[in-house]
Amino acid sequence: SAVISQKPSRDICQRGTSLTIQCQVDSQVTMMFWYRQQPGQSLTLIATANQGSEATYESGFVIDKFPISRPNLTFSTLTVSNMSPEDSSIYLCSVAQSSYNEQFFGPGTRLTVL
Amino acid sequence: DQQVKQNSPSLSVQEGRISILNCDYTNSMFDYFLWYKKYPAEGPTFLISISSIKDKNEDGRFTVFLNKSAKHLSLHIVPSQPGDSAVYFCAAIYSGGSNYKLTFGKGTLLTVNP
Repeated sequence: SAVISQKPSRDICQRGTSLTIQCQVDSQVTMMFWYRQQPGQSLTLIATANQGSEATYESGFVIDKFPISRPNLTFSTLTVSNMSPEDSSIYLCSVAQSSYNEQFFGPGTRLTVL
Repeated sequence: DQQVKQNSPSLSVQEGRISILNCDYTNSMFDYFLWYKKYPAEGPTFLISISSIKDKNEDGRFTVFLNKSAKHLSLHIVPSQPGDSAVYFCAAIYSGGSNYKLTFGKGTLLTVNP
């Protein structure tokens, strides 16, 4: 299984600012994803991070709010822009190889927006 | 519209007894189902999965049952141990889709009492 790290593990931010979350994998992976888990809710897919091209966003999520980069097969970043208290969530990176039943998650980044 | 539902937010069982966690889905296109386990401050870890062509999959103390006609699956843990105490997420996927999008339920908090 892949070992995934995320930075930062948690942060407290002011309204209107932006935060970039990093996801690093110890091996090359085909697919990388970004999820959000709001308090008391399920994990919701934000976007699929595509290597060398624009991310694919799910309904309700837009690039201006959640810009994503994936410069190579082991690293991706998610930026939460112009934050509001409603963005307070756990943000999780996940990766998959060729088989969809082996999707591994990072430890998550707990974001609190004041 | 919640396509994967875990109607019990919490479950408490005695050590050594059986734990049964339930999950319902509404999208008949889903053809692969997974259970993830999540400890506090950690990302979800893959536990067990089942394809829609099967009705049962067993891995040690964990068994998943699928009833396609009822759009219902369940995770059985026998015997339950205190270390099993965690949040369990049911997830579903449509393998014919263009990505590996997992649709999650809200999770069930399992507490196994010594």
